[in-house]
Amino acid sequence: GESVGLHLPTLSVQEGDNSIINCAYSNSASDYFIWYKQESGKGPQFIIDIRSNMDKRQGQRVTVLLNKTVKHLSLQIAATQPGDSAVYFCAETVLINSNSGYALNFGKGTSLLVTP
Amino acid sequence: NAGVMQNPRHLVRRRGQEARLRCSPMKGHSHVYWYRQLPEEGLKFMVYLQKENIIDESGMPKERFSAEFPKEGPSILRIQQVVRGDSAAYFCASSPRAGPNTGELFFGEGSRLTVL
Repeated sequence: GESVGLHLPTLSVQEGDNSIINCAYSNSASDYFIWYKQESGKGPQFIIDIRSNMDKRQGQRVTVLLNKTVKHLSLQIAATQPGDSAVYFCAETVLINSNSGYALNFGKGTSLLVTP
Repeated sequence: NAGVMQNPRHLVRRRGQEARLRCSPMKGHSHVYWYRQLPEEGLKFMVYLQKENIIDESGMPKERFSAEFPKEGPSILRIQQVVRGDSAAYFCASSPRAGPNTGELFFGEGSRLTVL
């Protein structure tokens, strides 16, 4: 979804359905991408990563798809559960220092709400 | 094996006071990153430190903000003469090594600063 003002894009799904969260990244030179999950009041938790030489990677109940042509990432969550309710961020790796200094550039995030 | 420890979890300051946020990285991790998160936004990179060295501080405001990671003890993010706009959650992350594999970036629970 598109963000309006300061509100996070929100995706509402029913328990048991599949969820798809989308992300556009900006740096065509980025070669490593990560999805993080952030629950209310907590720090981001690593979910899954993907390198630019891949277009798909699967984990447990999660799949990340990478389309480098249009600089787009998506996170698919199968059989969504109430515990999946959180804000999901995509992040791209950016080089910040020639001595292998890398940092993560985070997207704005999408709020996933799982309803029973 | 303790994770990244941040304290205080919550800090309230009046305008003009100083805020000190501490971060103890995971055991064996010598790379520390600080990020700032405004409400309903993604995390913004501030500074990247290794033991006793600031590697990159391109995301940190030029005035009032400073960071250190001494040989002994936690990393400290210091904000002098705080203003209301400094109110945010400040997250610390640590990594065992530099390089693009920053999926090995582990985040703390954050320190939430409120400036009155």
